[in-house]
Formats: sequence, C-alpha cells, structure tokens
Amino acid sequence: QQKVQQSPESLIVPEGGMASLNCTFSDRNSQYFWWYRQHSGEGPKALMSIFSNGDKKEGRFTAHLNKASLHVSLHIKDSQPSDSALYFCAVSIGTNAYKVIFGKGTHLHVLP
Amino acid sequence: ETAVFQTPNYHVTQVGNEVSFNCKQTLGHDTMYWYKQDSKKLLKIMFSYNNKQLIVNETVPRRFSPQSSDKAHLNLRIKSVEPEDSAVYLCASSSQGYTEVFFGKGTRLTVV
Repeated sequence: QQKVQQSPESLIVPEGGMASLNCTFSDRNSQYFWWYRQHSGEGPKALMSIFSNGDKKEGRFTAHLNKASLHVSLHIKDSQPSDSALYFCAVSIGTNAYKVIFGKGTHLHVLP
Repeated sequence: ETAVFQTPNYHVTQVGNEVSFNCKQTLGHDTMYWYKQDSKKLLKIMFSYNNKQLIVNETVPRRFSPQSSDKAHLNLRIKSVEPEDSAVYLCASSSQGYTEVFFGKGTRLTVV
C-alpha cells in the first residue's frame, strides 16, 4: 500500500533563506505528485505539480522528482514570513490520479 | 478567492446524532471530493465523485454517505456520529484527476 512520508516534521528558516522539504513514497507506479500549502484556518491550496523526473520551477518554488529513488522535494528560495504554513506532499496511487495519499506535512516557520 | 463553499463552518453535536454537511463548487469542475483532516492535521480522502458517479470510496464507516445531486454539489451525511468523527471535513474539486484540486475552508465537527 502506498506510503508517503515527509521530512522534516518542522522546519525553521530565517527570512530570505532557503527551505527544503522532502517526501518519499513507496509505490513505484505512482504517476502524479503535488505540493500543497495550508495556512491556519484555511483549506490546503495547491502550490505545484510535477509529473516527470527532474526539476520544475515556478517563481520562488522548485520541485524535484526522482521516481527511481522514490523521492520528491520542494525548495523555497528567498523564504518569506507569509510562507509559514503546513506543507503537504500528495502522491497518486499508481496511475489513479483521483486517489491521492497525503503525507503528514511539514510545518514551516519563517522568522522575520 | 474561494470557489468551493462549505456549510456550516462549525458544528457541535452529541454522540448518536445525524449531521449533514453541504458543499458547492462554482468552478465548473467534473470531480468533487471529501477529505477528513484529524486533530494531527492528517489528511485522508474519503470519497470522490466524477460527474455524479462515485469513483473513489475509501474504507470509511458505513455511517458516512456522500450525496451528489449534480456535479456542482456534493454533500456528506453522517448517521449516528461517534467521538472519533470529530475532525475537519474538507470538500474539494478538480477538473480532472491529475489537475489542481481546490479545497474549501472546511467544516469543523465536534462530537461531545
């Protein structure tokens, strides 16, 4: 059964610093990968998706996928206090994009 | 800007009661979901509907039943609530399974 694990559980970075979030998964057939962010009192909001091996950059956010090593990561450059939130990695079960497993999340705190 | 609307925001009820939560999306999406987020912020998919058809039905107690009148509405009914049902229930939608999922703000259920 698909397992999605995120690390670290909590991360503190200074404003302007780089935040790196990691996610490992167990299903080698997984096809779809997303990063979501949830601020307190809100629902999660999608940050970006990545479906192919390699890097994908959107503004200050870069996702990296390595299916062979069952690893996906998110890097936030020039972190801002508004980036402080709970970040989820979400992975499809095999090729079923409608069935997604979320990791337990990483709490990111960006200190001004 | 919210496009997935959930009511009520909060609900407190006693063990054994029946509750219903409503969800409407104005994005024109074909797929809607119900997720449960527990006190540790763990997110788990419960149900997924595509064009009013149930496509994902995770192992949830039978007292939970989704109800879809059209592709813009997906309600959730819980018959005879239990204390472990206390959680935030998040409704979401997407145009396709592999596209961005938009979440509502959630309904917080407290069972006393």
